[in-house]
Amino acid sequence: DGGITQSPKYLFRKEGQNVTLSCEQNLNHDAMYWYRQDPGQGLRLIYYSQIVNDFQKGDIAEGYSVSREKKESFPLTVTSAQKNPTAFYLCASQKLAGLYNEQFFGPGTRLTVL
Amino acid sequence: GQQLNQSPQSMFIQEGEDVSMNCTSSSIFNTWLWYKQDPGEGPVLLIALYKAGELTSNGRLTAQFGITRKDSFLNISASIPSDVGIYFCAGPSAGGTSYGKLTFGQGTILTVHP
Repeated sequence: DGGITQSPKYLFRKEGQNVTLSCEQNLNHDAMYWYRQDPGQGLRLIYYSQIVNDFQKGDIAEGYSVSREKKESFPLTVTSAQKNPTAFYLCASQKLAGLYNEQFFGPGTRLTVL
Repeated sequence: GQQLNQSPQSMFIQEGEDVSMNCTSSSIFNTWLWYKQDPGEGPVLLIALYKAGELTSNGRLTAQFGITRKDSFLNISASIPSDVGIYFCAGPSAGGTSYGKLTFGQGTILTVHP
């Protein structure tokens, strides 16, 4: 099955710990994105990557880090520097071709800091 | 940067009623996308619009690309309980290094009472 997978679905972390969220896609998409969603709010862009070994900060990158060593994978690390990490995290991917801009989303990871 | 203003922020309707929501921008968009997010899941693409004036249907959903290219509308006819969720509009951010990035509206939360 082609698609985007995120794991785990639920994640609990103690304050002061780093945690890494997984995102994998087998759609052969060029670009990948990480968003944060807080209750009752829209999507805020954390980081994005359009090619392997390159990524750009989004609107709320502080306290987060990413890597793009493979086209299929774009893991997000939530560091202890992120002041309020409890949120729903969404990964998306996109084929960069012509006028078509659709992003396709994974099922999300809900992170709770205890 | 670009902003999308989506309204209404929330809607409470009875099953069987029709629903209308819209999205406006201060700048021109060449693509409009409409997504639906079920509770606890990632957004799913409903309809993509690529041409000013375009009217596209997907079952009970109809979306239109405004003729000014600064707005878009989504209508849901004869709502059912499974229409509950958050509806987002989105469009491509400005060009250059932002190629591929999307700007999202704040979302419309739809509640359908049986």
